[in-house]
Amino acid sequence: EVQLLESGGGLVQPGGSLRLSCAASGFTFSSYAMSWVRRAPGKGLEWVSGISGPGGFTIYADSVKGRFTISRDNSKNTLSLQMNSLRVEDTAVYYCAKRGGDYPYFDYWGQGTLVTVSS
Amino acid sequence: EIVLTQSPGTLSLSPGERATLSCRASQSVSSSYLAWYQQKPGQAPRLLIYGASSRATGIPDRFSGSGSGTDFTLTISRLEPEDFAVYYCQLFGSSPPGYTFGQGTKLEIK
Repeated sequence: EVQLLESGGGLVQPGGSLRLSCAASGFTFSSYAMSWVRRAPGKGLEWVSGISGPGGFTIYADSVKGRFTISRDNSKNTLSLQMNSLRVEDTAVYYCAKRGGDYPYFDYWGQGTLVTVSS
Repeated sequence: EIVLTQSPGTLSLSPGERATLSCRASQSVSSSYLAWYQQKPGQAPRLLIYGASSRATGIPDRFSGSGSGTDFTLTISRLEPEDFAVYYCQLFGSSPPGYTFGQGTKLEIK
């Protein structure tokens, strides 16, 4: 059974940093691209960042480019998101999501971790 | 960058009725790159449809997807009480590379 478990969320001041993690199990982690997707309060889903299976290719939404860094440790089946220079508008529930097969969709999602940026 | 526009923003229907949700892309896209998700309060999104018309594993056959080019549709043939939720369409774009979600359609009980 595929499981994705996020951790690392919390309250941080504007300008601060936070590191999110996602522990994956139930599938061959290194074979699948992964992404982070967020949902701000009262808003819709927003894709944040993605990384290829081996980890050599990364992509970012314009809203986080230069501030967030996605990475993965395939030996530990873990996906990470380092978030720096956090802004109030980064407040959201952050989900890790597994890309499905050959098609660019997300077939499994974690339950999410809440990040609150506030002074 | 391609923009996805979903309509209506809110759809009020009764159980047993048919729901038709629209997703329009700002330019023609490959149907292989279009997916639909359902999200209920406090839960993670759930994949319903991928490749515009293929149902994901375990999704009831009352859910169907169709469309091509710029216009895509999610249809729920007969609404069950558990279908009332927010629905999102999603696209993968190659220039620049990345994913885009529509703003969502809230399906509420009338």
